[in-house]
Amino acid sequence: EAQVTQNPRYLITVTGKKLTVTCSQNMNHEYMSWYRQDPGLGLRQIYYSMNVEVTDKGDVPEGYKVSRKEKRNFPLILESPSPNQTSLYFCASRSTGTIYGYTFGSGTRLTVV
Amino acid sequence: QQQVKQSPQSLIVQKGGISIINCAYENTAFDYFPWYQQFPGKGPALLIAIRPDVSEKKEGRFTISFNKSAKQFSLHIMDSQPGDSATYFCAASYPLNFGNEKLTFGTGTRLTIIP
Repeated sequence: EAQVTQNPRYLITVTGKKLTVTCSQNMNHEYMSWYRQDPGLGLRQIYYSMNVEVTDKGDVPEGYKVSRKEKRNFPLILESPSPNQTSLYFCASRSTGTIYGYTFGSGTRLTVV
Repeated sequence: QQQVKQSPQSLIVQKGGISIINCAYENTAFDYFPWYQQFPGKGPALLIAIRPDVSEKKEGRFTISFNKSAKQFSLHIMDSQPGDSATYFCAASYPLNFGNEKLTFGTGTRLTIIP
C-alpha cells in the first residue's frame, strides 16, 4: 500500500529534551515536506526537500531541523523543544513530476511541557 | 499573513442538505486550487482540485466553483451525508523553479452533518 508513515503517533516530552519524529514513504517520491497544524492557523510548512541532500526552509522553520540522507526518509528534529512547538505534525510527499496531490502521513501529536 | 482566507470556521448541515465552504485569495500568481479532506486521526487527503481556466469542476457530490475576477473559490457538497463530517482545507499554489511549488492552506472548516 502506498503510504507515508510517521512515528511516533503521540509524544509527550519536556522542554529542552531533543527529539526526532521519523517519516518514511514507499512511493519513490522526490519531494517531501513537514507541516504543523494548529487550531485557527491551518497547515503551515516547516521544511521541505526536493530530493536527497536538498532541503529548504518553509514558512515556520525556527526551532526545527531536517535531513534527507535517503530518498524514502525525512526526519524532523527538534534540538531543544519548547512549549510553543506543541502541535500536530504531518509529513507529506509527492512526485516532482506532478503538483497534483500530496500524500500525508497520519500525524504526530507532540506535547512539550 | 494569511494568503488564503477560509470561512466558515465550523459548519453544521442537515443530512441531505448542501454544504458550502468559501475561500478567497489575493495572490494572482496562484494557478492551482485543491481542496483537502481530513478525518479525525488522519492526515489530509486530496479531494478535488481546479485550475483557474475553468469556472466549475464536479466530481460526484463535490463541486468547486471558481470566480477568477473575484479571487474566490468554494466547495459545494450536495446531498451531504454523515460520512462527509470532516475538516476541509482549501489551498492554493503557484509554481517555483525545478518542479517546486508554493502551496498555502486555508485555516480549515470543521463540517458536521447531522441526521
